[in-house]
Amino acid sequence: GAGVSQSPRYKVTKRGQDVALRCDPISGHVSLYWYRQALGQGPEFLTYFNYEAQQDKSGLPNDRFSAERPEGSISTLTIQRTEQRDSAMYRCASSLSREGWADTQYFGPGTRLTVL
Amino acid sequence: AQSVAQPEDQVNVAEGNPLTVKCTYSVSGNPYLFWYVQYPNRGLQFLLKYITGDNLVKGSYGFEAEFNKSQTSFHLKKPSALVSDSALYFCAVRDPTDRGSTLGRLYFGRGTQLTVWP
Repeated sequence: GAGVSQSPRYKVTKRGQDVALRCDPISGHVSLYWYRQALGQGPEFLTYFNYEAQQDKSGLPNDRFSAERPEGSISTLTIQRTEQRDSAMYRCASSLSREGWADTQYFGPGTRLTVL
Repeated sequence: AQSVAQPEDQVNVAEGNPLTVKCTYSVSGNPYLFWYVQYPNRGLQFLLKYITGDNLVKGSYGFEAEFNKSQTSFHLKKPSALVSDSALYFCAVRDPTDRGSTLGRLYFGRGTQLTVWP
């Protein structure tokens, strides 16, 4: 079946603009995760959802970052008033069950964000 | 605090030779450990995981990893490397003693670039 998809794959924006990054998880997966990966680093956790409920947003860097998953499927990560330091690869993952601590997180291809 | 260390930024090995990519971790409880691989312009692909049971875990593409609790390590291994194994490898840990809001997190290492030369 289809894996996790993300769009756009590449986004170039000017400083101060808002951007919205989309994630479409694997069908039927309950949990959805957002990570950010800087060049030369491993992914760092941002936030995650069980169904439509945001469980943990303590990884979001500041209040310019927000995420939603209103119908428990597709999620949007929004960055307001972008800054150059926001440039990174943004990765989305999904896993099957809500309490599946052992569940595998399956990742999408990522969105490469460049802020000029 | 949970953390993962991949002490080698790069590993180079000749095709046909065994390979090892090292990973050590620090968590307060018994860890759940994962290996992912990243090919250029592609997402992270799951290779294998250790949850409990046999310390030697077998995964995709002939890879395996050995959990060593006393050394807090989870090294990735393959008996005979292929040129196509060249990629960036990430080790990750999840701490099942996390409760409530933090249990969803994976903590990743910085990655190890594996190059297999012909």
